Amino acid sequence: GAVVSQHPSRVICKSGTSVKIECRSLDFQATTMFWYRQFPKKSLMLMATSNEGSKATYEQGVEKDKFLINHASLTLSTLTVTSAHPEDSSFYICSARDARQVIGSQHFGDGTRLSIL
Amino acid sequence: AQTVTQSQPEMSVQEAETVTLSCTYDTSESDYYLFWYKQPPSRQMILVIRQEAYKQQNATENRFSVNFQKAAKSFSLKISDSQLGDAAMYFCAYRRGRTSGSRLTFGEGTQLTVNP
Repeated sequence: GAVVSQHPSRVICKSGTSVKIECRSLDFQATTMFWYRQFPKKSLMLMATSNEGSKATYEQGVEKDKFLINHASLTLSTLTVTSAHPEDSSFYICSARDARQVIGSQHFGDGTRLSIL
Repeated sequence: AQTVTQSQPEMSVQEAETVTLSCTYDTSESDYYLFWYKQPPSRQMILVIRQEAYKQQNATENRFSVNFQKAAKSFSLKISDSQLGDAAMYFCAYRRGRTSGSRLTFGEGTQLTVNP
């Protein structure tokens, strides 16, 4: 089945550091990828929609200068948390949909647990 | 805007018994898809079952089945013969139309506990 690889799975870093998270579709092309944030025991909150070759579409309230998204190829999207602070600590999940499938489901990465000290 | 509501924050079931998780949604669209995702403690999102709105027949995947009531905008998940491995957070989700860029809208989730 379709596989989405998300890396790294866990990051612990100091406040002020920028952190890059990668999301790769391993066996399909994804013109669109999605980035979510999830707090403990809460639902997934869509942060932005990543479109290959164009600017990402951010949800209301999400700072685009804080959460930089780059979707440079059909198989890779990156989320960079710039100058991270403790309040950015969270679980981040990406998903991708196979562009070839008309009614395909979204495939999720395993998530990245980000801890800012 | 579409909304998805899961009114049961927590549910529990005895092993081998049957449990039903509720989900309602609100939309003005006629073409859409509904999903149930499972998120175990590992936090991996696992697709359990999918329903196309244009299909009247309820989707079934082994021990998992749905009761899709389009007029009532209800989409409940039934888990039969519950197993310990079914314990997880379950999310109901909605997606509009067939375009690849359509986003998923999630409900708040139901935490399912399976008692031995």
